[in-house]
Amino acid sequence: EDKVVQSPLSLVVHEGDTVTLNCSYEVTNFRSLLWYKQEKKAPTFLFMLTSSGIEKKSGRLSSILDKKELFSILNITATQTGDSAIYLCAVDNYGQNFVFGPGTRLSVLP
Amino acid sequence: DAGITQSPRHKVTETGTPVTLRCHQTENHRYMYWYRQDPGHGLRLIHYSYGVKDTDKGEVSDGYSVSRSKTEDFLLTLESATSSQTSVYFCATSGGQGVRGNTIYFGEGSWLTVV
Repeated sequence: EDKVVQSPLSLVVHEGDTVTLNCSYEVTNFRSLLWYKQEKKAPTFLFMLTSSGIEKKSGRLSSILDKKELFSILNITATQTGDSAIYLCAVDNYGQNFVFGPGTRLSVLP
Repeated sequence: DAGITQSPRHKVTETGTPVTLRCHQTENHRYMYWYRQDPGHGLRLIHYSYGVKDTDKGEVSDGYSVSRSKTEDFLLTLESATSSQTSVYFCATSGGQGVRGNTIYFGEGSWLTVV
């Protein structure tokens, strides 16, 4: 059974801290890994990763994939209160389906 | 973001009544999905569709049925609502055309409470 695991499940930091969120996966057919940010409503797309070792960056957020070790990390530097959200990791497994992890709930305190 | 609208956005219903949630998309995406999101479980797939009248079950399909008579509409029906189906329901779509991967886009969610 395809599975995506995220850690930690919950994290509390202070503004300015740097955080690393982890995502590991076991899927039969891997096509890509995606990261989403979910605040109060719908998840919004952050990154799609398909190749190992190539870092994707957007402002203070960055992510990288290791296809050999089957994991990805999402880094957020100089965190702000607006980064408080649930961060979801998902894998596209070629089966017209996306398998989601449970999410990491990040709380950034002022 | 893909134009995905869900209706109703909020609903309270009684146990045993049928409920239909509607998802409408304007992006002509081939794939459409219904997920439910519950604390501790993340997003779990209920049903998905890979074309008009082509649907398949996800991991938590019991008690739910779907229909897709047009590319743009995907309906989720709870035949006889139970309290365990109280949840947030998200519709999502994907174009499915990317050779190296596809992005999935979400609607705003439908909050369903079964009392």
